[in-house]
Amino acid sequence: EIVLTQSPGTLSLSPGDRATLSCRASQTVSSNYLAWYQQKPGQAPRLLIFGASSRAAGIPDRFSGSGSMTDFTLTISRLEPDDFAVYYCQQYGSSPLISFGQGTRLESK
Amino acid sequence: QITLEESGPTLVKPTQTLTLTCTFSGFSFSNSAVGVGWSRQPPGKALEWLALIYWDDKKHYRPSLESRLTITKDTSKNQVVLTMTNMDPVDTATYYCAHNGGWFSRYSMDVWGHGTTVTVSS
Repeated sequence: EIVLTQSPGTLSLSPGDRATLSCRASQTVSSNYLAWYQQKPGQAPRLLIFGASSRAAGIPDRFSGSGSMTDFTLTISRLEPDDFAVYYCQQYGSSPLISFGQGTRLESK
Repeated sequence: QITLEESGPTLVKPTQTLTLTCTFSGFSFSNSAVGVGWSRQPPGKALEWLALIYWDDKKHYRPSLESRLTITKDTSKNQVVLTMTNMDPVDTATYYCAHNGGWFSRYSMDVWGHGTTVTVSS
């Protein structure tokens, strides 16, 4: 069973800072089928990045994804107040077919 | 524009069967190589994937819950139904359905419903 481990659990930064969120898989992610989602309180998740590095429609270019095989990163270049939320990574293709990381909470310092 | 909406009971008793319906618009199983999946999120916890059904009726389940889950689709009604048997208080969560864009979105969940909250209590 593939396990996604996100770090850090909580990240405290200020608007304008650069945020770097990590997602490490216990085994190689099939074809880099790795996605990132943003979730705000009381809302459904929103797709940010798919295929490890492709931005979803309407996602600002301050969000970028990188990585391959077992190590993936979501970078937010200049934090805006609206970016403080919980972020999840998700893989497709292993067993279980789909799995999520435990999330990283990005909070305002 | 793709939209999805979950519906079903807000309260079920332990041992009962939960039936949730996802009604969608903006795409069709009859002409799109896509899927619809279900995930859930217990209060204050992380997302957990449950099941996925594709346009060709191929189905996938979370292995640890497979014996309790059934996912079906009604192409004519643009609906996907998830049933979960033998409900327990630990199944209390917000349940989401989402569009899986297939290879085009590298099998990510690119559009989500708002979610429906289910409480399991006697």
